[in-house]
Amino acid sequence: AQSVAQPEDQVNVAEGNPLTVKCTYSVSGNPYLFWYVQYPNRGLQFLLKYITGDNLVKGSYGFEAEFNKSQTSFHLKKPSALVSDSALYFCAVRDGMGQAGTALIFGKGTTLSVSS
Amino acid sequence: ETGVTQTPRHLVMGMTNKKSLKCEQHLGHNAMYWYKQSAKKPLELMFVYSLEERVENNSVPSRFSPECPNSSHLFLHLHTLQPEDSALYLCASSQAFRSGGTEAFFGQGTRLTVV
Repeated sequence: AQSVAQPEDQVNVAEGNPLTVKCTYSVSGNPYLFWYVQYPNRGLQFLLKYITGDNLVKGSYGFEAEFNKSQTSFHLKKPSALVSDSALYFCAVRDGMGQAGTALIFGKGTTLSVSS
Repeated sequence: ETGVTQTPRHLVMGMTNKKSLKCEQHLGHNAMYWYKQSAKKPLELMFVYSLEERVENNSVPSRFSPECPNSSHLFLHLHTLQPEDSALYLCASSQAFRSGGTEAFFGQGTRLTVV
């Protein structure tokens, strides 16, 4: 079975400071990992993904994520936070060995609050 | 705009009503999904249509009934719902995994309130 955990319900950071939103995963095969962001009353927007290759992946809006196989983690990072980054962030996983009908499985989400 | 359109955006229905949610994707994808988002809970995968094969979460009550007439359209038929079914219902699409698909793209969601 595949699962993903986001241990923090909320992350608070001051504008201009670096931010990290944590995610750990569990899959039986090779993981496909994703980060999405959700603004109020909106759907989920894709930020970035890790499929294979370089452990540091870059995505939209200056976000990046680091894949760590030994720690089964895929933390989202940004060197300098903006107030406009305040939103709900979801980590998701898909099992690389999945069958037809495999879908993304999401964590419960982490609310990021950036203060000015 | 992600290319996935959901209608209506908001829906209020009584427990005895029958209504349908609609989703349309313009991305040429061949897999579509329904997710339920409730407050303080993880997104719950309800149904998957992938390469014309339907896969469902067995915990979804029968008062929710999906329909996928073609690869671009997805419906969720609702009948005799309960107040706890009030949530944001999200539609998504992707290339099917067997077609090399990876990320999914989401619609704006339908905010459903059952009274």
